[in-house]
Amino acid sequence: EADIYQTPRYLVIGTGKKITLECSQTMGHDKMYWYQQDPGMELHLIHYSYGVNSTEKGDLSSESTVSRIRTEHFPLTLESARPSHTSQYLCASRPSRDIHTQYFGPGTRLTVL
Amino acid sequence: GDSVTQMEGPVTLSEEAFLTINCTYTATGYPSLFWYVQYPGEGLQLLLKATKADDKGSNKGFEATYRKETTSFHLEKGSVQVSDSAVYFCALSDLDRGNTPLVFGKGTRLSVIA
Repeated sequence: EADIYQTPRYLVIGTGKKITLECSQTMGHDKMYWYQQDPGMELHLIHYSYGVNSTEKGDLSSESTVSRIRTEHFPLTLESARPSHTSQYLCASRPSRDIHTQYFGPGTRLTVL
Repeated sequence: GDSVTQMEGPVTLSEEAFLTINCTYTATGYPSLFWYVQYPGEGLQLLLKATKADDKGSNKGFEATYRKETTSFHLEKGSVQVSDSAVYFCALSDLDRGNTPLVFGKGTRLSVIA
């Protein structure tokens, strides 16, 4: 079982604040992903990475940015949070050898007031 | 492009009832198929998978068979428990598309009442 961590688990902030959601995995997985999950539970891919210094935008346009400086770390940053950013954010990773299975973190529930 | 369609919820069942959640897919290649489960307040967990036609994935009493002729991967369980209450996602991974992320359905919420 993969170990993938997200912090914080819950965050309530005011409009205009800059925030960074952390995601780390200890399995050495090359591929990492960020999803935004709406209240209806549908998942929307917002960013992904194939490895260090690789980042791609996903299917859903997002005002967030990501970086991948280390294999184990894939933080997501919102420069200026707005109420429309209120959502659940899920991080996932996938090893190169097992190209099928994605492992998910527990999620960060973000509320922007 | 690739897509997954699963039955809309919510689905509400009594304990020990039979469960079916339908899932069909469209893929250009020869995909692998998955069911993920999300319990309240948690991330998604892999429930079961199948990588080729006629394969049956199974776990925790849940089963799904990869049907290439009907492009389906329906999830079934013979007797649900309250602890099965969760959101279930069908997903596919298309080998012909290399490194692309999994494609997920919209999720089906299951509530099991005692």
